Amino acid sequence: GAVVSQHPSRVICKSGTSVKIECRSLDFQATTMFWYRQFPKQSLMLMATSNEGSKATYEQGVEKDKFLINHASLTLSTLTVTSAHPEDSSFYICSALRSYNEQFFGPGTRLTVL
Amino acid sequence: AQTVTQSQPEMSVQEAETVTLSCTYDTSESNYYLFWYKQPPSRQMILVIRQEAYKQQNATENRFSVNFQKAAKSFSLKISDSQLGDTAMYFCAFPPRSSNYKLTFGKGTLLTVNP
Repeated sequence: GAVVSQHPSRVICKSGTSVKIECRSLDFQATTMFWYRQFPKQSLMLMATSNEGSKATYEQGVEKDKFLINHASLTLSTLTVTSAHPEDSSFYICSALRSYNEQFFGPGTRLTVL
Repeated sequence: AQTVTQSQPEMSVQEAETVTLSCTYDTSESNYYLFWYKQPPSRQMILVIRQEAYKQQNATENRFSVNFQKAAKSFSLKISDSQLGDTAMYFCAFPPRSSNYKLTFGKGTLLTVNP
C-alpha cells in the first residue's frame, strides 16, 4: 500500500500556543486529504476535508478558526491548532485519497495541551 | 443518512480459533465499496479488506474474509486461525459517493485474541 507520514508523532504544548501537524503522501499525489480526531476507545471523527488549491471543508461543529487547514501541494496538508487548550488534547489522524476507493492513513499525532 | 453500525463493542477469541465481527450499513446507493480497517495498539489504521458492492463474490485476504449480503446491507468480517497480532480495534467503513467518498465509520469492535 501507499505511505502517508505525519509529523510530529507526539507534541506537548502549553495552553494558548499554536501547534502545526503535517501530513504527507510520500509516494503518490493526493488532491484530497482528510483530518480526523480520535478520543480514547472511540471511532474516528472526521474534522475536515483538505483540498489542494482550495479551501478546506469543515464538518459541522468544527471551528474553522481554531483548526486551520492548508493543502499547499499535492503531497502536503497541514493542520494548525491555534490557541490550543487542554480540551484540544487528542489523537489526530490524517488520511490521503489516492482514488475514490483507496484511502491511506498516517500514523497519527498525539497532542497534549498542558 | 448513510450509517454504519457495529453492534459488538468488544469480542474475544482464543488463539487459532475463528471469530466473526458484524457490521450493517444503510445506503440508497447501488454501487459502492465497503472496508474493514484494523487499528492495533500503535493506532496506525491498516486496511484489512475491501469489497466492491457489485461483485457477488466475497472478498478474501489470507485469513480474513467477508460475508457480504447486499440485500441485507450486512458486511461481516471473519478472521480464521486468529493470532495474537490480530488484537486490535476493527472498524467497518463506507465511503458514500454522495459525501464525496468521505469515510463513514462504525463505532468499532475491540477484538482481543487470548493465548
